[in-house]
Amino acid sequence: VQLVESGGGVVQPGRSLKLSCVDSGFMFSDFAMHWVRQAPGKGLEWVAVTSHDGRNIFYADSVKGRFTISRDNSKRTLYLQMDSLRVEDTAVYHCARESVGTLDYWGQGTRVTVSS
Amino acid sequence: QSALTQPPSASGSPGQSVIISCTGTSSDIGGYAYVSWYQHHPGKAPKLIIYDVYKRPSGVPDRFSASKSGNTASLTVSGLHAEDEADYYCSSYAGNSDYVFGTGTKVTVL
Repeated sequence: VQLVESGGGVVQPGRSLKLSCVDSGFMFSDFAMHWVRQAPGKGLEWVAVTSHDGRNIFYADSVKGRFTISRDNSKRTLYLQMDSLRVEDTAVYHCARESVGTLDYWGQGTRVTVSS
Repeated sequence: QSALTQPPSASGSPGQSVIISCTGTSSDIGGYAYVSWYQHHPGKAPKLIIYDVYKRPSGVPDRFSASKSGNTASLTVSGLHAEDEADYYCSSYAGNSDYVFGTGTKVTVL
């Protein structure tokens, strides 16, 4: 199982960025998928989840209304559209696979820096 | 959801043991048998080392063990190896596909 994130970069406050996470090695469409972030010097923070079919989606309060999680099972790809970015969104963003009660496989992460 | 509380650091010499606590509430750790522990080397993908409170994924050494009592979970790393030096995070399912993470503990092998 391998998850590879991409799309990170440096962006100004208020702008947008879209992250991607591509899987290899498992039945992507069978699993719920999450985004989890880690700000510099901080711990892990859960961001969002989508069910295996994309019908059930939940967000952390800190990103609700600004971030959109989605998936394209035909492309084995998970997305995170991040709008109205804030300085406090600066973090490494990891995607992770859910397996009943745990996140069992994670990607290495992609770094997002929000700075003017 | 508030983060689960972990000590910021723990240390031990090679061969010794360290125990890391993780304190939550009845809405997370105390309410579900879905506590996980992750080992994270900076710059790498977090690695699942414990799930369902005490179970080890295939390939994780039995030096890693864990338990839960009430709203507090614990991870024990026995017989410390140099490669165990990393950040450790607990996590608990908290309902409605919500997962809450611990504040993290940096383990140093002296």
